[in-house]
Amino acid sequence: DAGVTQSPTHLIKTRGQQVTLRCSPKSGHDTVSWYQQALGQGPQFIFQYYEEEERQRGNFPDRFSGHQFPNYSSELNVNALLLGDSALYLCASSLDRQETQYFGPGTRLLVL
Amino acid sequence: AQSVTQLGSHVSVSEGALVLLRCNYSSSVPPYLFWYVQYPNQGLQLLLKYTTGATLVKGINGFEAEFKKSETSFHLTKPSAHMSDAAEYFCAVSDQGGGFKTIFGAGTRLFVKA
Repeated sequence: DAGVTQSPTHLIKTRGQQVTLRCSPKSGHDTVSWYQQALGQGPQFIFQYYEEEERQRGNFPDRFSGHQFPNYSSELNVNALLLGDSALYLCASSLDRQETQYFGPGTRLLVL
Repeated sequence: AQSVTQLGSHVSVSEGALVLLRCNYSSSVPPYLFWYVQYPNQGLQLLLKYTTGATLVKGINGFEAEFKKSETSFHLTKPSAHMSDAAEYFCAVSDQGGGFKTIFGAGTRLFVKA
C-alpha cells in the first residue's frame, strides 16, 4: 500500500515565477492538507481540500491556491514567488473527520 | 485560537537516559493532541495521539505522553534514549481531529550522546 507521495522532491525557481506541487494521498483517503515548513520551524497549515473544495484555510495570501481532483490527488500552486516562499512543502492525507494524518516526504522549494 | 509551545528548541541526553520533551497547548475547546517525529530530509511520522479517554498515551518506539488538562500540557517521555531517537519532534493540536486544521509547535531537536 503506497503512502502519501509528492512530486517533485526538489525544485528551484526564481522570484516572480509560478510553481505547482503535486500530492497523491494514501489509498482510500479523501482529505488532503498542505503545510509549509520553513527552515527551523514547525509546519504551518496552508489549506485543506475535501470533495474537491477548500474546506479550511490558514493565514496564507491568495498567491497560494490549490485544487483537488476526483481521484483525491491534489495540487498546490504558488504565484509570484517570493524569496520567503522557500520551504519544505508537506502534504498530508486523512479520512474525512478522522484524527490521523499521514504525511508525505515533502517538496523542497528554493526561490532565488 | 489554538497554539502550541514547545519548551526548549534543543534537548541533549545521553544514551540510556530519560527523554523528556515539553509541550504546552492553548485551546478553547477540548483538544486533540499529537506528537510527530521528523528525521532529516523526511516527512512527519506520527508517534502518538490523544483524543479522548485515558490520559496516558503510549506510542511507537517506546514513547508515551500524558495529557494534563489542569496544566494544559502534553509532555513526551521515553525511559531510555537510543541513538536512533535523534530527530526533530513536533507537538501539535487540533480541535476536531487531525483531519481539520492542525497547529504545530516550533519543534524540539533531540540529540543523543553515546
